[in-house]
Amino acid sequence: ILNVEQSPQSLHVQEGDSTNFTCSFPSSNFYALHWYRWETAKSPEALFVMTLNGDEKKKGRISATLNTKEGYSYLYIKGSQPEDSATYLCAFHSGNTPLVFGKGTRLSVIA
Amino acid sequence: GAVVSQHPSWVICKSGTSVKIECRSLDFQATTMFWYRQFPKQSLMLMATSNEGSKATYEQGVEKDKFLINHASLTLSTLTVTSAHPEDSSFYICSAATGPPGSPLHFGNGTRLTVT
Repeated sequence: ILNVEQSPQSLHVQEGDSTNFTCSFPSSNFYALHWYRWETAKSPEALFVMTLNGDEKKKGRISATLNTKEGYSYLYIKGSQPEDSATYLCAFHSGNTPLVFGKGTRLSVIA
Repeated sequence: GAVVSQHPSWVICKSGTSVKIECRSLDFQATTMFWYRQFPKQSLMLMATSNEGSKATYEQGVEKDKFLINHASLTLSTLTVTSAHPEDSSFYICSAATGPPGSPLHFGNGTRLTVT
């Protein structure tokens, strides 16, 4: 059974703070690592699909890094805003199995 | 683009009845759709992969006779929970990809099912 772990489970930060959280996944049979943002009462929205070791992707104030050899990815948010409040999901794809999701990190940004 | 519409958003039904959940791709054709279930404080768990024009592929432990999936067109997949019981109460959400395996998924808004 593939295990995808996300930490922390939840996080409260002040507006303007930068923050980061972790996704750990199996280091073997890697194909892709997905990040999604899931706001309350909305559908999950894809942020990044990462495929190469050492990859770093950026979308506005959000960026992500990938280390496939040690099996982790970090998601960074610079200067958090209240609208960044959401659950951030990562999902691991081994290529021959469906996406396996972590439980998510729930971020609350306090104004 | 790539909008997925899921209906209903929530439903309450009595034990023993059946409930149908619809998932539509509004602006693209989806040959494959995925049905997930999420219990409280748990991760999204894939239940089945819905293939247009053919039988769905169910994950281990998911009863295909209880969770009927129909994908009769390139824009519509349905999940029917038959003879629902309280333990089927959960959050069900569908998704589809617009590219090859590994492409980002586009999700519906999900359906909160409560069986009384």
